[in-house]
Amino acid sequence: DAGVIQSPRHEVTEMGQEVTLRCKPISGHDYLFWYRQTMMRGLELLIYFNNNVPIDDSGMPEDRFSAKMPNASFSTLKIQPSEPRDSAVYFCASSSTGGEQFFGPGTRLTVL
Amino acid sequence: SQQGEEDPQALSIQEGENATMNCSYKTSINNLQWYRQNSGRGLVHLILIRSNEREKHSGRLRVTLDTSKKSSSLLITASRAADTASYFCASGGDDKIIFGKGTRLHILP
Repeated sequence: DAGVIQSPRHEVTEMGQEVTLRCKPISGHDYLFWYRQTMMRGLELLIYFNNNVPIDDSGMPEDRFSAKMPNASFSTLKIQPSEPRDSAVYFCASSSTGGEQFFGPGTRLTVL
Repeated sequence: SQQGEEDPQALSIQEGENATMNCSYKTSINNLQWYRQNSGRGLVHLILIRSNEREKHSGRLRVTLDTSKKSSSLLITASRAADTASYFCASGGDDKIIFGKGTRLHILP
């Protein structure tokens, strides 16, 4: 298995633009997580899904952020409109129930 | 809010020495996990210890868990240059886990 795949690896955009981050979890995993990592706030859980259903989105900063998981092999995290304070590394991770989480390589987002 | 807090925030030791990192958490847990992150990379799982376990070993890693004190420690024995990384504890249930801010470990040659 190729592991968790994220795209793009780097994204530079201007304030106000829409940003879409993509994730392909490991086949067979029933949990998918989106995290954001910054120096100031560390690693924050934004939202997680179980069997494609959002379970807890309490970490989503505001309505500008949305996430979907249309099927077991694909998820997106969208920011619209983006702001400079959204600049961070965004990680996707997947796991089986009760197990370790496998992280993707991350998307480094810079909003100018 | 952060569930786990690692201590120390940063640690520098000589190659070959042992490194100990501590983690405290706030609420009841089902398990506690430790992860490593090399600069610019995603996190990699190291070890998981369940709430009914007190100690676990994996290679040069030893993890302890004290649920009465809501704390855990990670010991890396005979450190190597390749152990230079950030180490995070993550505590929670069988689905959602919350990460601490990590300990930055630097192994000096």
